[in-house]
Parts: sequence; structure tokens; C-alpha cells
Amino acid sequence: EIVLTQSPVTLSLSPGERATLSCRASQSISNGYLGWYQQKPGQAPRLLIYGASNAATGIPGRFRGSGSGTEFTLTISNLEPEDFAVYYCQQYDRSPRTFGQGTRLE
Amino acid sequence: EVQVVQSGGGLLQPGGSLRLSCAVSGFRFSSSWMHWVRQAPGKGLVWVSEINDDGSITTYADAVKGRFIISRDNAKNTLYLQMNSLRAEDTAVYYCAALSAPLDPWGQGTLVTVSS
Repeated sequence: EIVLTQSPVTLSLSPGERATLSCRASQSISNGYLGWYQQKPGQAPRLLIYGASNAATGIPGRFRGSGSGTEFTLTISNLEPEDFAVYYCQQYDRSPRTFGQGTRLE
Repeated sequence: EVQVVQSGGGLLQPGGSLRLSCAVSGFRFSSSWMHWVRQAPGKGLVWVSEINDDGSITTYADAVKGRFIISRDNAKNTLYLQMNSLRAEDTAVYYCAALSAPLDPWGQGTLVTVSS
């Protein structure tokens, strides 16, 4: 299976700053079949980015995804208070689907 | 409006069985693959199982293979997860999800606790 490793585990920033989250895959992911999710306490995850760089429905423009192959990045510009949460990457190139272990943005 | 409503969680003893349900509306359920994802307390997301649109293809994580059965009823727009031979390590919040894009509806999650 494809193992996804996210870094850093925890990212400490302030509102207004830029966050850069990384997701590294153990094998190359074809066609950019990678997504990013945001999860807040007590809530289900929410899709932010699909296809490595496409914003999901209703996602603000400050969330940007990039990357290909084995290296992917989620960038959040001008952090808003509501952006502090846990972020997961997920690959859907091959079964089984796998998630990264998460990055906590605090 | 898309709605995904889960039911069926609870507290069970090891070795017990439970069926989770997930009712979907406002989404193209009958033409979508559907998934179950779980999250142990304080831990990350783990994919559990998937089923194709007509129910003819199912896949499971190794940790649940042979114990869990995913199914669906497209006439009722409902997804199921039959969980048998439950273990303490199955304790988690279970989510049903489409894992699709750009619209990716998830249920609210249901807590399954396996403890003696």
C-alpha cells in the first residue's frame, strides 16, 4: 500500500501567517490523485483539495495545493482563526485508500 | 442539500456484532463508490472499506477483512457496515463518506466502543 508521511506533525503559527504542510508518498501517485482534508474537533473531515491542486466546492482561495509524484504541499495563506485544525492528505490512486497521519496546525 | 445521517453505534463486548447504517440524500448515491473510514480516539483517519456503485465490488483493510461486511441498498440510498467478531482495537468513530470530488459528503460519525 502507499504510505503517506506528513510533516511537520505540529505547526505553530499565528493568524495572518502562511502555513506550508507537506505530504510525502512512499510510491509515485499517478495523475495527482491526492486530496487534502481539514478536521476540527468533534467534526467530520472536510475536503479542501482534490487532484493535488483543485479546490473543492466552497473552499476559500487561501487554500492551495501543489505537487506531483511523491511530494505534495498544502499552502494556507493569511491564516484565519478558523483554519487552526488538523489536516490530512489522502491518496486515491491505488487501493487501499490511505491517509497521512495528520498535521496539527495550532 | 446533501445530507448523510449515520446510525447504529454503541457499546459492545469483545466478540459482539453491530451494524452501522448511513442514509444519504441530495447526492448521486446510486452512482457513487462509498466508503467507511474510522478514527480511534485521539488518532488519525484510517480507511476501512469501500463498495462500488452497484455493490458488486468490495474491498477491505487487512485489519477488518473477514470480520466486516460492507453493503448498500440503492433503493433506500443507504450504506451499511456489518461488524462481527469485534475487538477492543475496533473502538473508534466510524464515518461513511463518498471520498469523491469536488463534492465529498461525510456522515457525522458514530462511536463504536468495544469493551468488557
